[in-house]
Amino acid sequence: EVQLVESGGGLVQPGGSLRLSCAASGFTFSTYWMTWVRQASGKGLEWVANINHDGSRRNYAGSVKGRFTISRDNAKKSLNLQMNSLGAEDTAMYYCVRVQYIDEGFDYWGQGTLVTVSS
Amino acid sequence: QSVLTQPPSVSAAPGQKVTISCSGSSSNIGRNHVSWYQHLPGTAPKLLIYENNKRPSGIPADRFSASKSGTSATLGITGLQTGDEADYYCVTWDTSLSAGVFGGGTKLTVL
Repeated sequence: EVQLVESGGGLVQPGGSLRLSCAASGFTFSTYWMTWVRQASGKGLEWVANINHDGSRRNYAGSVKGRFTISRDNAKKSLNLQMNSLGAEDTAMYYCVRVQYIDEGFDYWGQGTLVTVSS
Repeated sequence: QSVLTQPPSVSAAPGQKVTISCSGSSSNIGRNHVSWYQHLPGTAPKLLIYENNKRPSGIPADRFSASKSGTSATLGITGLQTGDEADYYCVTWDTSLSAGVFGGGTKLTVL
């Protein structure tokens, strides 16, 4: 059974940093692109970043470019998101998502981890 | 403002049909595949359609369909049920942005 379990969310002050992780199981992690998607309360889904199979290609939304870094450890079957210079606009539920189909066709989602940026 | 434009809300009676549009541009829908998701509060989004018009296993063909023409895509849901009340999102890749892009979401109400 495919499972994606996010962790690392929590309360952080503006300007602070946080590192999210996603533990993958039930599939060959190293053969899939992976994506982070977030949703602020009362808002729609927002694509954040993705990474290819071996971590050599990474893409970011304009809203997080230069502040967030996506990475992966295929040996540990882990997806990560290092978030720096956090602002209130980054407060959201963050989902780890598996890309199965062309052009961001996601077939499995984690349950999410909540990030709250507040003083 | 979302790169992909969806109507904020649609509604229809039980048993009826509804369509949800997703409008983009030549750098996203015009050249890439579109996926559609159903999102119920408190749950993870569910894939309904991938690669413009394909359904994953378990998504009934007689109820959910989708198409793409030019820079727009459309999701159709027939035989509406109260259980279909949810937010629906389109998503694709934007070649100019080198990023994924979601529509703003459409809230479906089954009256």
